[in-house]
Amino acid sequence: DSGVTQTPKHLITATGQRVTLRCSPRSGDLSVYWYQQSLDQGLQFLIQYYNGEERAKGNILERFSAQQFPDLHSELNLSSLELGDSALYFCASSVDGSGGSPLHFGNGTRLTVT
Amino acid sequence: GQQVMQIPQYQHVQEGEDFTTYCNSSTTLSNIQWYKQRPGGHPVFLIQLVKSGEVKKQKRLTFQFGEAKKNSSLHITATQTTDVGTYFCAPLGLLTGGGNKLTFGTGTQLKVEL
Repeated sequence: DSGVTQTPKHLITATGQRVTLRCSPRSGDLSVYWYQQSLDQGLQFLIQYYNGEERAKGNILERFSAQQFPDLHSELNLSSLELGDSALYFCASSVDGSGGSPLHFGNGTRLTVT
Repeated sequence: GQQVMQIPQYQHVQEGEDFTTYCNSSTTLSNIQWYKQRPGGHPVFLIQLVKSGEVKKQKRLTFQFGEAKKNSSLHITATQTTDVGTYFCAPLGLLTGGGNKLTFGTGTQLKVEL
């Protein structure tokens, strides 16, 4: 158990809809990262937050947004969903935001867009 | 931008054979992390390398960071079925303007046959 909690585990929705994925980082970790993993694909970095502030942005679409709240949990909002957004979305947390400490991953949210 | 390639993409070995995956970057890296993702699981941190030419061992796993800090390798001696999974390198690069983006390599999927 990594200590990172992601909800929900599975999400099935239709094209055009909007969903919110939730992540609670490991106790003591200040930084949260979001990654997208499509079938048999690698891990695509979306965005990073550190102590409530956006720290780095990757290949995140304009239809996607995220935030980190004062209690350090984070939410990833996906809107105007397309079939190609179907993927496994991972949240990870680390102690600091420098990238020099290990990332601890949650079990992921599997999103299916029909 | 930072380009990270891992080779090979796939590797099938017989149990007991050795296995090596290579990670190559187009830019000099601050450090590099390695992760393992079992089928159906989430990435799990294995190790971090920081120094030029650094070599670290974990039982049958040997990790190496190149002298120029542009490449790294993971070598598994005498593979076992428990080694099955996808191995990712995660090179850390500094972003212009500050902050860090933890990108992942393309991954090497290892299958071990009895």
